[in-house]
Amino acid sequence: EVQLVQSGAELKKPGESLKISCQGSGYNFNNHWIAWVRQMPGKGLEFMGIIYPADSDTRYSPSFEGQVTMSADKSLTTAYLQWTSLKASDTALYFCARGRNSIFDPTQYFDSWGQGTLVTVSS
Amino acid sequence: VMTQSPATLSVSPGERATLSCRASHTISNNLAWYQQKPGQAPRLVIYGGSFRATSFPVRFSGSSSGTEFTLTISSLQSEDLAVYYCQQYNNWPPTFGQGTKVEIK
Repeated sequence: EVQLVQSGAELKKPGESLKISCQGSGYNFNNHWIAWVRQMPGKGLEFMGIIYPADSDTRYSPSFEGQVTMSADKSLTTAYLQWTSLKASDTALYFCARGRNSIFDPTQYFDSWGQGTLVTVSS
Repeated sequence: VMTQSPATLSVSPGERATLSCRASHTISNNLAWYQQKPGQAPRLVIYGGSFRATSFPVRFSGSSSGTEFTLTISSLQSEDLAVYYCQQYNNWPPTFGQGTKVEIK
């Protein structure tokens, strides 16, 4: 069974750094893109960017370029999303999701999702 | 830009629910639909415009005409209460519609 298990909820202060994780199992982790999707409170889904674990090829949506960093550790079958300096506006639920399209194309749809990590940034 | 309508849809159990998604540019059939129930992660319902994902019953179907896409729930059940999002994956970056909330009347 394909599973994406995300790290737990975080409460941080503005200016702090954070790294959240998404561990995949039940499939060949290297051969599927992993995306990150933001959902702000009461709002819809926003695509942030995507990483291909086999070679760490990473693409960011223009809205999130320079705001976050995505990475992956093949040996741990885990993808990461990190911030160096959080803002209150980063408060949201963050999902990872497995891509299900050609491996040569980062423009994917998503057939399996993590349970979400709630990030709250408040002073 | 993906535009969904209506924002909220109230349907009686057993009735048909029709959700629309319009793309601002041609996206071929590179369109997916997701169901998000309250407090849960999204789930893939339809991909390729009309291919139903495993685990979803046959009452869910997708269709298209040009840049207009439709998700139809032929006979609404109480467990179908959710927000439904469309997503295009033809152009970079992938983009989601703003969602349609399906309520049980």
